[in-house]
Amino acid sequence: DQQVKQNSPSLSVQEGRISILNCDYTNSMFDYFLWYKKYPAEGPTFLISISSIKDKNEDGRFTVFLNKSAKHLSLHIVPSQPGDSAVYFCAASARTDYKLSFGAGTTVTVRA
Amino acid sequence: DVKVTQSSRYLVKRTGEKVFLECVQDMDHENMFWYRQDPGLGLRLIYFSYDVKMKEKGDIPEGYSVSREKKERFSLILESASTNQTSMYLCASWNSETQYFGPGTRLLVL
Repeated sequence: DQQVKQNSPSLSVQEGRISILNCDYTNSMFDYFLWYKKYPAEGPTFLISISSIKDKNEDGRFTVFLNKSAKHLSLHIVPSQPGDSAVYFCAASARTDYKLSFGAGTTVTVRA
Repeated sequence: DVKVTQSSRYLVKRTGEKVFLECVQDMDHENMFWYRQDPGLGLRLIYFSYDVKMKEKGDIPEGYSVSREKKERFSLILESASTNQTSMYLCASWNSETQYFGPGTRLLVL
């Protein structure tokens, strides 16, 4: 049973516009959330994280929002660039446990 | 800069063969992980290790085993490869903030 769900398998967005990726989780013990980016034939690379004590974390063009009551987080990419075309994975953990649970991923395509 | 390396990028094996996937990290991390990635399923945890000679089962350990004789090296073993083990295998190590991944090994079992 997947504890982290990314319900949109794909997203297409025009260059310069905002990309919004969504992620839902079911385990109330999760208190640390991460987003990874993956290009084909490469391993995932860490993008941004957020602890449950915050509801927003920003790093350049990337912002992650956390809504604990809804068990929902989202990643905003503004502005979207062609190099952002990749698969994005949402992941979650309980900090007492180093394991990560991953969503199925969302493939983002940025159109010129 | 953290580096996680995997011994092979691509492997082709026959059903029934014993397969070794090697992973090495250079940051003295205690925690290491093996995942497989399949379309529509994301990354699923096979095994992980908190320390040398320690191992814990992940979500899908059946058909796999692991070995951690040295801190920097974590090996995944397919005792008798089967076609449903065709996948992308990813190794990672953890530094208390995030997991760092290797480039992956794409395994094809014929």
